[in-house]
Amino acid sequence: DQQVKQNSPSLSVQEGRISILNCDYTNSMFDYFLWYKKYPAEGPTFLISISSIKDKNEDGRFTVFLNKSAKHLSLHIVPSQPGDSAVYFCAASAEGGKLTFGTGTRLTIIP
Amino acid sequence: ETGVTQTPRHLVMGMTNKKSLKCEQHLGHNAMYWYKQSAKKPLELMFVYSLEERVENNSVPSRFSPECPNSSHLFLHLHTLQPEDSALYLCASSVGQGKSYEQYFGPGTRLTVT
Repeated sequence: DQQVKQNSPSLSVQEGRISILNCDYTNSMFDYFLWYKKYPAEGPTFLISISSIKDKNEDGRFTVFLNKSAKHLSLHIVPSQPGDSAVYFCAASAEGGKLTFGTGTRLTIIP
Repeated sequence: ETGVTQTPRHLVMGMTNKKSLKCEQHLGHNAMYWYKQSAKKPLELMFVYSLEERVENNSVPSRFSPECPNSSHLFLHLHTLQPEDSALYLCASSVGQGKSYEQYFGPGTRLTVT
């Protein structure tokens, strides 16, 4: 049973527009959520995170929103740039423990 | 060299071969991890080492044998693998097991079992 789900395997967005990547989770014990970005032939790199005590965290063009009641988080990228084309993984952790990952969403930014 | 490195980057092996994957971290971290990433599946945690001691084994078949000789190096010894073991194997490290969500990943080894 997948505890972290990314239901969209791929997403295409025009350059300059907003990209919204979604993630759902089932384990109510998760208290820390992360987004990782992965380019081909490279390992995932940390992008942004959010603690369950917050509902929003912003870092430059990247904002993560957390809706605990819906067990849903999203990553907003605005404006989208060609270099944002990558696979994005959502991950969650409970009490500083191991990470549970989603299957990833491949984002393609169209110039 | 900085960060987390993995060698080899690509490996093709037969089912009767024995090979090893190597991971090295230059971050001064105390915890290291092996993950498996198969197509269209989430990253699967295989093993966790904290201060060179294995603290987690997620029901991984015995044909995968990890080794952590010191806090900077992690190996994954492979023998009599199956074609379904073909995947991307990622190594990661973190400051400590208690902060395992702050993980830094290597580039991975793409393994093909023929």
